[in-house]
Amino acid sequence: ETGVTQSPTHLIKTRGQQVTLRCSSQSGHNTVSWYQQALGQGPQFIFQYYREEENGRGNFPPRFSGLQFPNYSSELNVNALELDDSALYLCATSDRTMNTEAFFGQGTRLTVV
Amino acid sequence: GNSVTQMEGPVTLSEEAFLTINCTYTATGYPSLFWYVQYPGEGLQLLLKATKADDKGSNKGFEATYRKETTSFHLEKGSVQVSDSAVYFCARRSGGSYIPTFGRGTSLIVHP
Repeated sequence: ETGVTQSPTHLIKTRGQQVTLRCSSQSGHNTVSWYQQALGQGPQFIFQYYREEENGRGNFPPRFSGLQFPNYSSELNVNALELDDSALYLCATSDRTMNTEAFFGQGTRLTVV
Repeated sequence: GNSVTQMEGPVTLSEEAFLTINCTYTATGYPSLFWYVQYPGEGLQLLLKATKADDKGSNKGFEATYRKETTSFHLEKGSVQVSDSAVYFCARRSGGSYIPTFGRGTSLIVHP
């Protein structure tokens, strides 16, 4: 049990739609990172938020956006969904001040049809 | 750039066999090295880590030693169990960065 909760666990969307995925941590970690994990692949870094500001971004288009709230919970938004966006989306939290390791949620399985 | 290369799976073993999963990393900077495990339907869990050369990380019978001379961080276990069946990810994180880079993962299947 990592204390990181993601919702929903599964969802199905249609190409062109928009989706919002959510992440919360019981431990109050101030840093949250989002990853996309395609089937059979390792997690690919999307972006990271630290104290409500984006602080690093991977090679993903602008239709992938995020938010971090004052309570450190976070959202990942994806606009104009494409079939290739089908993947497991992982949220990981850490405390940059304490230099802790990343704790992952169980992920949200997104299927785009 | 920063990258991690893992041996391709699946690795299929019988219970109580010896396990090695190879991992090499790019030597840029002074990275910390990690092994994560992902059980079916779950997120990643940190298994062990090493932060400098010659450090040995260990947990649950698994070990990995940070080898700077060979830029490797191979995962080993002396006697695997069926419950060790999972996907194992090697990762690196550069000093000053808070973002780990993951390998593609190696699936381990242990038969009774």
